Amino acid sequence: IAGITQAPTSQILAAGRRMTLRCTQDMRHNAMYWYRQDLGLGLRLIHYSNTAGTTGKGEVPDGYSVSRANTDDFPLTLASAVPSQTSVYFCASSDGTDTDTQYFGPGTRLTVL
Amino acid sequence: GQNIDQPTEMTATEGAIVQINCTYQTSGFNGLFWYQQHAGEAPTFLSYNVLDGLEEKGRFSSFLSRSKGYSYLLLKELQMKDSASYLCAVRDSNYQLIWGAGTKLIIKP
Repeated sequence: IAGITQAPTSQILAAGRRMTLRCTQDMRHNAMYWYRQDLGLGLRLIHYSNTAGTTGKGEVPDGYSVSRANTDDFPLTLASAVPSQTSVYFCASSDGTDTDTQYFGPGTRLTVL
Repeated sequence: GQNIDQPTEMTATEGAIVQINCTYQTSGFNGLFWYQQHAGEAPTFLSYNVLDGLEEKGRFSSFLSRSKGYSYLLLKELQMKDSASYLCAVRDSNYQLIWGAGTKLIIKP
């Protein structure tokens, strides 16, 4: 069982380019999340999806879009990357139990120049 | 606004006990989580508290006081592998997790 996988592991991107970060889970979790993690700040929620076919905006959604065509995949797209989007991006899913614990993928380190 | 406060960094000695505090001010409360994050890796779940009191899991314990907006994570018999950042997160009234910036724990031999 892989859990959650993310691709790529790291990427250097020129400003203005379009980029899609991929996230796949095999745990059949309904809810999925995208966070960014920056030094000195807590994880910040970008977008989330409570179930396939639905998405919602988190704390910092500007410049990002997501889709949820099926249960397993939750890609994050940067339409036109800017240097302030340099960050580590984590995808997570939650198990829907009483605690609804979130489980994280290994992350994508993105640098926008 | 919503706020989670944790110390930025703590240092402890191998074999000792350390307590990492977390105070929170959020719109609503639906549980508090502690995660461990080693450098360059993903956060991993440690503990969950929704009622006041102490939850014990092996060498790790977590305490919650909802009236005080306060939690702590207690690590006993510290090992070098416990060197990591410890993240406190609160689930708010919108059922979203609000995260602290994390406490970097340095273990010295």
